[in-house]
Amino acid sequence: GESVGLHLPTLSVQEGDNSIINCAYSNSASDYFIWYKQESGKGPQFIIDIRSNMDKRQGQRVTVLLNKTVKHLSLQIAATQPGDSAVYFCAEKTRDDKIIFGKGTRLHILP
Amino acid sequence: ETGVTQSPTHLIKTRGQQVTLRCSSQSGHNTVSWYQQALGQGPQFIFQYYREEENGRGNFPPRFSGLQFPNYSSELNVNALELDDSALYLCASSLEADYEQYFGPGTRLTVT
Repeated sequence: GESVGLHLPTLSVQEGDNSIINCAYSNSASDYFIWYKQESGKGPQFIIDIRSNMDKRQGQRVTVLLNKTVKHLSLQIAATQPGDSAVYFCAEKTRDDKIIFGKGTRLHILP
Repeated sequence: ETGVTQSPTHLIKTRGQQVTLRCSSQSGHNTVSWYQQALGQGPQFIFQYYREEENGRGNFPPRFSGLQFPNYSSELNVNALELDDSALYLCASSLEADYEQYFGPGTRLTVT
């Protein structure tokens, strides 16, 4: 069925280190994946996306990797900052433009 | 901020009552999607409105209904509220149905 999930519910990272947030998906027909950041009291905010014909995409301090063979998605945040503290969701966009979210990973930044 | 606004911010209702939540889309956006986010979970798609017509629906019962107005603002109505309807309700607007979605801050609904 269509589902998107995450391996770890909570991740603690030292400030300045790189963060890696992982996600598994089960719908092999999905061709578009998105990472969102949700801070307390706010709605999800788009971070970066990737299409299924790509295996890597880079943004400002963020990189998304897609491994279609094992249906795995990851978000890498370089030089993690206190402002990166949030819940991160991976999501897949279905062919009829619905977005299916995973459960989220909370990222804690340690001083 | 995304320019998407929602009202009210918080709401407390009693089981069996009805509720209407409102969303103003970002200027120029003709599509609004609604999501339900239970505590500690990811948002779940309820339905989408494109140019005043429903354009897709998730696995929610008919007591969840919506409207989109000519100015592309939208309402989410929930009848016969149940305790499990307690959640954060998010709306997101997009320029077109298949474009990037911009989320509002949500309405926190508590059903007692």
